[in-house]
Amino acid sequence: DTAVSQTPKYLVTQMGNDKSIKCEQNLGHDTMYWYKQDSKKFLKIMFSYNNKELIINETVPNRFSPKSPDKAHLNLHINSLELGDSAVYFCASSQDGTGGIDTQYFGPGTRLTVL
Amino acid sequence: GQQVMQIPQYQHVQEGEDFTTYCNSSTTLSNIQWYKQRPGGHPVFLIQLVKSGEVKKQKRLTFQFGEAKKNSSLHITATQTTDVGTYFCAGPKNGGTSYGKLTFGQGTILTVHP
Repeated sequence: DTAVSQTPKYLVTQMGNDKSIKCEQNLGHDTMYWYKQDSKKFLKIMFSYNNKELIINETVPNRFSPKSPDKAHLNLHINSLELGDSAVYFCASSQDGTGGIDTQYFGPGTRLTVL
Repeated sequence: GQQVMQIPQYQHVQEGEDFTTYCNSSTTLSNIQWYKQRPGGHPVFLIQLVKSGEVKKQKRLTFQFGEAKKNSSLHITATQTTDVGTYFCAGPKNGGTSYGKLTFGQGTILTVHP
């Protein structure tokens, strides 16, 4: 079974559309994250949730809205997509996220292309 | 704010050559983690170093944590084509007090020519 899964794997859409990416982890972890990886492979954290509570919001435009219905799921909704949103988005989870000690387990990624 | 700098950005080697990537933090780190991302894949945890001066080995990979806990290195001996990918170091934001947040280095993209 996949530990951290994301859907869809690929997402191609027009500028101005609204889209969602879903993430689920079956590791029993308390903390989940969204990262954005640009074309130069730079990994930047966007959000972190611990037990459904928002912990980190890294100056991400408010067009991005994470939602955590339970601690095993963290979805990302993006409104009014822009060309600059094109990237690979990774979901990740860790045991409890305290102090950055925990190993992070990444999902397979969602490649978003905005045309 | 805290920065984690990683060099080189790219490294091309012939199969059998050694490879090293370096990671430097602007602040002291409580620990440092290393991840590998294969082309088209996702980052996968390799190892975590916690102690000052710590050295850990995984087969052909040797990881070091500096005495001041502000730098780290990953050395691969006799690279193989299976080593291709991007290697990231990551340290906890603000030295370890920020909840779950890792600051990733820019990554080193390794290509190995057979």
